[in-house]
Amino acid sequence: EAQVTQNPRYLITVTGKKLTVTCSQNMNHEYMSWYRQDPGLGLRQIYYSMNVEVTDKGDVPEGYKVSRKEKRNFPLILESPSPNQTSLYFCASSLYIGDFSFFGQGTRLTVV
Amino acid sequence: GENVEQHPSTLSVQEGDSAVIKCTYSDSASNYFPWYKQELGKGPQLIIDIRSNVGEKKDQRIAVTLNKTAKHFSLHITETQPEDSAVYFCAAWAGYSTLTFGKGTMLLVSP
Repeated sequence: EAQVTQNPRYLITVTGKKLTVTCSQNMNHEYMSWYRQDPGLGLRQIYYSMNVEVTDKGDVPEGYKVSRKEKRNFPLILESPSPNQTSLYFCASSLYIGDFSFFGQGTRLTVV
Repeated sequence: GENVEQHPSTLSVQEGDSAVIKCTYSDSASNYFPWYKQELGKGPQLIIDIRSNVGEKKDQRIAVTLNKTAKHFSLHITETQPEDSAVYFCAAWAGYSTLTFGKGTMLLVSP
């Protein structure tokens, strides 16, 4: 089954403790991206990657890092999480840029 | 950058009625306009999209219209059913930047 898998689905952490949210797709897609969803603000893009070793900032990249060492994986790294990064995060992938088809199930992160 | 406005923020209809959600965008270079349905606890699901070279696209009970001159596009759902209840997002993409979403419309279809 074609899918985008995020882990964990839920995470509560403390301010400053580094964390990684993993994202994996099994469709051999080149384009992957991360979004955060906040009430009243919709979805905002954090980072995207057009291929292995190619990443670029989205609209809200501050406080986040990503890497794309393999085509299937695109982890989101929070080096020093803060409470304003409490949000619902989605990973997405598509065969090419301009096709925004597949989203993961989401990761609800709470930073206390 | 691109700015997408979506209205209304909430929409309540009776089963069988039609529902219309409208979006406007600011970047005249935008050429791809997807719509997503998000059910509680799930990720957004692409339900229909339209590119700038067409004015209308239909898929069963769902249709999208695009007016490039006015920079607005709309989602039309006919014969609504309770299972259509969800949050709907429009988005716009200019080909060189990020996909920009509207803030969402909560659609409630009452039996």
